[in-house]
Amino acid sequence: NAGVTQTPKFQVLKTGQSMTLQCAQDMNHNSMYWYRQDPGMGLRLIYYSASEGTTDKGEVPNGYNVSRLNKREFSLRLESAAPSQTSVYFCASSEGASRTEGYTFGSGTRLTVV
Amino acid sequence: RKEVEQDPGPFNVPEGATVAFNCTYSNSASQSFFWYRQDCRKEPKLLMSVYSSGNEDGRFTAQLNRASQYISLLIRDSKLSDSATYLCVALTGGFKTIFGAGTRLFVKA
Repeated sequence: NAGVTQTPKFQVLKTGQSMTLQCAQDMNHNSMYWYRQDPGMGLRLIYYSASEGTTDKGEVPNGYNVSRLNKREFSLRLESAAPSQTSVYFCASSEGASRTEGYTFGSGTRLTVV
Repeated sequence: RKEVEQDPGPFNVPEGATVAFNCTYSNSASQSFFWYRQDCRKEPKLLMSVYSSGNEDGRFTAQLNRASQYISLLIRDSKLSDSATYLCVALTGGFKTIFGAGTRLFVKA
């Protein structure tokens, strides 16, 4: 019963470096999401994938790209990291687009960009 | 103005106390509402959905007032293990999900 698995859990990058955050879910959920969480602010949606083969921008997509590799996996890429991208990143999934059953979140990636 | 606003707290209460959190939302088109719980340095976890008729799960009661656009969460007989941040969430159409910044609760022995 792994649920949503994110890797890595922690990462320190230098400004300008790139990295990919990995996310996989084993619940056969159709929809997957990437959020960032910053102090004093609610979770903000970066990108989402309503279903396999589709991706769309969320509230704060600048500086990020995503890939829905298959139904299970949804990765987030930072092409050129900036200090403003220091945050905690959460991947989430939901059974359907309506999301009325709520989200299941991964345990998060704490990213620091120096 | 934030679309979902919560009192950040912290709320400091003794064990056994009853505590209530309120949350207001600005988008009248919001369709569904939830409370999530987030422990320190952990991921958010769904606590309960919020229905217009109100719903109860053990010591937790959630209510929705669409006319006034607010959601509430009541915790009775607080336990030490209830210490966490409680996130109010509103869903609007088109994958728009708005998370409140959270209300921190500390339950003391």
